[in-house]
Parts: sequence; structure tokens; C-alpha cells
Amino acid sequence: SAVISQKPSRDICQRGTSLTIQCQVDSQVTMMFWYRQQPGQSLTLIATANQGSEATYESGFVIDKFPISRPNLTFSTLTVSNMSPEDSSIYLCSVWSGGAGGELFFGEGSRLTVL
Amino acid sequence: ILNVEQSPQSLHVQEGDSTNFTCSFPSSNFYALHWYRWETAKSPEALFVMTLNGDEKKKGRISATLNTKEGYSYLYIKGSQPEDSATYLCAFMWQAGTALIFGKGTTLSVSS
Repeated sequence: SAVISQKPSRDICQRGTSLTIQCQVDSQVTMMFWYRQQPGQSLTLIATANQGSEATYESGFVIDKFPISRPNLTFSTLTVSNMSPEDSSIYLCSVWSGGAGGELFFGEGSRLTVL
Repeated sequence: ILNVEQSPQSLHVQEGDSTNFTCSFPSSNFYALHWYRWETAKSPEALFVMTLNGDEKKKGRISATLNTKEGYSYLYIKGSQPEDSATYLCAFMWQAGTALIFGKGTTLSVSS
């Protein structure tokens, strides 16, 4: 198992500003994943963060809007840039436990409200 | 586009009631099906990971079944308790190494 700490847990932001979410894992992991859940929608993968290389973004998500850092095997940040009300969501970081029967372990999420 | 559908979207039951939810996924390719429970202000936690057609898994009062040929999974809760109140997420993986595709979830509220 993995224990994942995420902060901030919630924030209220002004339109046009940027916010960085931090994710700390209690063990070394190769890949970390960033998800978003907009109100009434599914959890959607934003990108996969690999240590030592650029993040891999899913269709519809771009680096300029969601820059990601992965300085070591236990830490990652996701920045939501130039925020608009449509960015109001819960953002979750997660890690994969590995193997065919593996599962995702999640942080508690960061609930962002953009005014 | 791969889509995962969950129903109902939400439901409210009385303590002691038994209930079940449905998850539908594409049946053409299948690798794994996950169920997660997400309580308010907590992390989503895995309930079951199912990989074989006909799989049945159980954890306490909660159980799940899997039919990969017809593309559905059921989650059952027997004798619901207030602590079962949460959003239950189903997630589908069509091939090893691909991302989990989540449904919108079923939100369960149990009154005492």
C-alpha cells in the first residue's frame, strides 16, 4: 500500500491566477498519476508523471495549462494555470500498486473553486 | 471512445436495506475491472480488482460479480449501514498498461 499526502485540501481561487498542488508519497514510485473530477463528471486522467522525464498528457490536456513537476520518486506537483471557473474540480494524485491485480492508491484530493 | 456507465446515479436507502449497483463497460476488449469507494473528504479506496469472467469477490457485507462477455459488473451491499454512505466508482481497463477509465459513480446515502 501507499500513503499519499496532498495539499492544499481545498482552495478558492480568483479567475486568471494559478495554483500548485503538491503530492507526497511515503514510498518511491515510478509513475504518479494526476486525475480531475469536474462536478457531475467521471474521474479523468490528466497526465502521467515520470521521474526524470516530461509528463505524458492525455487527450484534451496540455502542458501549458497543467504543468507538472516530478523532481524525485516520492514527490510531484500539478499546477493549474490561468484558472477559469471551468477548472473548479477535485484534483487527485495517485500511484499504481503494480502487477496484473494492481490497484490505484489516491491522495485525499484538492478541491478547487474558481470564482 | 470507451465509456463506462454506472447506474443508478444516486440512491437513498434505510439502514438494513440491501442494494446493488450496475457498471457497464465495453465487452470487446477486457483486462480488468475495479470498484472503488470514495467517502467524503477521504481518498478513494479500492474495494475489488476483478480480472476473470465470472469472478465473484466479497469483502464483509459487500460483494461484486463480473461478466466480461456481456460487459457488466454488479456491486451488492447487504444490510446497508450509515458508514456505507459513499460514492462507489467503477473503473475499466481494456489493456494492460492503459489508463483506468472511470464511470461517474453511484452515490449511496444510508439513513439510520
